[in-house]
Amino acid sequence: GQQVMQIPQYQHVQEGEDFTTYCNSSTTLSNIQWYKQRPGGHPVFLIQLVKSGEVKKQKRLTFQFGEAKKNSSLHITATQTTDVGTYFCAGTTQGAQKLVFGQGTRLTINP
Amino acid sequence: DGGITQSPKYLFRKEGQNVTLSCEQNLNHDAMYWYRQDPGQGLRLIYYSQIVNDFQKGDIAEGYSVSREKKESFPLTVTSAQKNPTAFYLCASRVQGRGTGELFFGEGSRLTVL
Repeated sequence: GQQVMQIPQYQHVQEGEDFTTYCNSSTTLSNIQWYKQRPGGHPVFLIQLVKSGEVKKQKRLTFQFGEAKKNSSLHITATQTTDVGTYFCAGTTQGAQKLVFGQGTRLTINP
Repeated sequence: DGGITQSPKYLFRKEGQNVTLSCEQNLNHDAMYWYRQDPGQGLRLIYYSQIVNDFQKGDIAEGYSVSREKKESFPLTVTSAQKNPTAFYLCASRVQGRGTGELFFGEGSRLTVL
């Protein structure tokens, strides 16, 4: 079945450093979504990427979708303490009815 | 305000007991989902429903049951057959089951088996 692998599992950075999490799928995706879950909270939608090679930015966050539509990344520039949480990618294959989530990357930040 | 309401937020259960987690949405979404989250792990799909009176098994359906009698409601029953039920359960919905569309999550229900 479809698998979505996400690395790293954990990342600890100093405030102000950059952070990147990577997502790889075993199959070609029709779209990929990213979610953020704050400690003790529930996942909240960040963005969806649909096109091959697509790049989207939200302030300090940059999202990329690979040319082959099998991988994606989330990059945070100059992390802040408000960025703490677990970031999940979730992919859908063509015509599928469900999202498959990666294991998530837990980001902690030293102020 | 529109959203998804899960209850209870915390639940304790003795081994051998069935429990039902409630999920209600007023977003007029067709598709609803139940996920299980264990510490340090991602979200695993238990059951999902595209339309009223229809639902499908997800990746870890064993020991769980659902119903979808109303568009707004998608309760999950954790049965005594579920061998390791202690977890954080998340209900989600989106406009349609296929294609694109973000998931809206409830705040979750934390189940502890004593």
